[in-house]
Amino acid sequence: GDSVTQMEGPVTLSEEAFLTINCTYTATGYPSLFWYVQYPGEGLQLLLKATKADDKGSNKGFEATYRKETTSFHLEKGSVQVSDSAVYFCALQYYGNNRLAFGKGNQVVVIP
Amino acid sequence: ETGVTQTPRHLVMGMTNKKSLKCEQHLGHNAMYWYKQSAKKPLELMFVYSLEERVENNSVPSRFSPECPNSSHLFLHLHTLQPEDSALYLCASSQDPGRNTEAFFGQGTRLTVV
Repeated sequence: GDSVTQMEGPVTLSEEAFLTINCTYTATGYPSLFWYVQYPGEGLQLLLKATKADDKGSNKGFEATYRKETTSFHLEKGSVQVSDSAVYFCALQYYGNNRLAFGKGNQVVVIP
Repeated sequence: ETGVTQTPRHLVMGMTNKKSLKCEQHLGHNAMYWYKQSAKKPLELMFVYSLEERVENNSVPSRFSPECPNSSHLFLHLHTLQPEDSALYLCASSQDPGRNTEAFFGQGTRLTVV
């Protein structure tokens, strides 16, 4: 079935460092791809999305490009802040389908 | 504030108790969802309601019973739960159906079964 795989383990980095979180997907069609963020004690919030191949989603300095050839949607940010500490989830959704398939999430901790 | 409100935020219940989780949205959406978030596991979709009808039940045990009385409210009734049911339960809503439909999540109910 359709699935999303995120890199294992938490990510700890210093303020102003470059962040990359890998996400790959398995799907039989052409899903929309999303990154959701969960701040401590909160629910999930949509961070960015891309609906077709080569689209780039961006928000709050984060970017991710829909790569059909590598079935990837890696999240990047050039200079992280302490306030970016959160759990980041990659997800896919099909057109006309209510269901989101999520990855396991990555805990990101940014140290001052 | 995402427009989706869940109550209570925290709940501790014994295995013989009966309790209910509540979710409310005022976004004009007509699809609502329950997700379970356990440690070190992907979010699990439990139930999907579209236009107040249940359209999906992902093999969830009968000790979890959803109810959607109208398009703005969703409940999850709990009875005779097990300790492994302890998790964060998230409610979400979206416009149904269609592409680019963003799901809006509530803050969740942290459930502990003792």
